[in-house]
Amino acid sequence: DAKTTQPPSMDCAEGRAANLPCNHSTISGNEYVYWYRQIHSQGPQYIIHGLKNNETNEMASLIITEDRKSSTLILPHATLRDTAVYYCIVRVKGSNAGNMLTFGGGTRLMVKP
Amino acid sequence: NAGVMQNPRHLVRRRGQEARLRCSPMKGHSHVYWYRQLPEEGLKFMVYLQKENIIDESGMPKERFSAEFPKEGPSILRIQQVVRGDSAAYFCASSPPGNEQYFGPGTRLTVT
Repeated sequence: DAKTTQPPSMDCAEGRAANLPCNHSTISGNEYVYWYRQIHSQGPQYIIHGLKNNETNEMASLIITEDRKSSTLILPHATLRDTAVYYCIVRVKGSNAGNMLTFGGGTRLMVKP
Repeated sequence: NAGVMQNPRHLVRRRGQEARLRCSPMKGHSHVYWYRQLPEEGLKFMVYLQKENIIDESGMPKERFSAEFPKEGPSILRIQQVVRGDSAAYFCASSPPGNEQYFGPGTRLTVT
């Protein structure tokens, strides 16, 4: 799986949009971008994933650049409960081989009142 | 639709004892994954199982650790002769074939 690079930490004001970047310059054509988050001491929570088109769900939006070498997770109106470590993971979808998730250091997002 | 269930949530074992961690996947999910998170560290993949089969155990320590996912019942992660370094949070995830993984709340193992 391709390696990802994320800033170690970010702050965001409550109610504002949180934009979390991720670089994945070695991504392959069949690799998807996945985002998970881990709120303190809890199990990781799936947020969203995409291949090349932008994606949106009830939790967040995922913007993937045209060359697919980077992406941004957007939480449109961050709340205090969004304080967590956010992980950007690149992997092939639907393959038994390498089906595991490889977690890097992630970005520790602190939402402040 | 209940999420991934893990029990116990907290487990205390003395050095040399055995630890058994259970994971019940979400309904309809036939794939189970185990991850370990050591204190102040990231999650590390341990093993990937389908019913009655181990698909990938590349992250499992070579000794004392084993996992199973029987035809009936939960997946079990078994740690024999626990040592202090086994103290960690153990997370189980499940998925339908080839799709996103959903995680349980974890089992926190403390070895005294």
